[in-house]
Amino acid sequence: GAGVSQSPSNKVTEKGKDVELRCDPISGHTALYWYRQRLGQGLEFLIYFQGNSAPDKSGLPSDRFSAERTGESVSTLTIQRTQQEDSAVYLCASSLQGEETQYFGPGTRLLVL
Amino acid sequence: QKEVEQDPGPLSVPEGAIVSLNCTYSNSAFQYFMWYRQYSRKGPELLMYTYSSGNKEDGRFTAQVDKSSKYISLFIRDSQPSDSATYLCAMRNTNAGKSTFGDGTTLTVKP
Repeated sequence: GAGVSQSPSNKVTEKGKDVELRCDPISGHTALYWYRQRLGQGLEFLIYFQGNSAPDKSGLPSDRFSAERTGESVSTLTIQRTQQEDSAVYLCASSLQGEETQYFGPGTRLLVL
Repeated sequence: QKEVEQDPGPLSVPEGAIVSLNCTYSNSAFQYFMWYRQYSRKGPELLMYTYSSGNKEDGRFTAQVDKSSKYISLFIRDSQPSDSATYLCAMRNTNAGKSTFGDGTTLTVKP
């Protein structure tokens, strides 16, 4: 079946602009995760959704970052007033409730000029 | 100091070699330990998952967890060129929720 999809695959924006990144999880997956991966580094946790509630948003780096999820479906990660240090790959993952396996999407590569 | 430390490599081995990848961690609350493989410009995929201490084997892959030493390992036997990728260790203290990742080790298996 279809895996996790993310859009856009690449995004180039100017410093100070807002960007919105989208994640479509695997159908039926109640848990959804956002991570950030800087070049040559591991994944940095941003936020975790269980259904449409976010029990853990401890990884959001500043109030410029926000995320929402509609039901047990699509999630959007919004970065306001982007900065150059926001340049990274933003990865989304989903899993079944109580299931340890997280399935990752291909990521959105964000470049802030 | 990072919660999870992983030697970034790069590591280059000949085809057929045994590969050993390792991570150390500082948070004794971690109970779930994962190894992911990430090909260039792709998302990570789960290779191995272990709960608490012990060994787990799956084909050519063996994962080991030593909670007393806060040390985990992934062994790859009979390595193949298709194993060339970045390997990321990850861990968490609950069955769901936030995972903490190492920075990844880049492996190249030469034919």
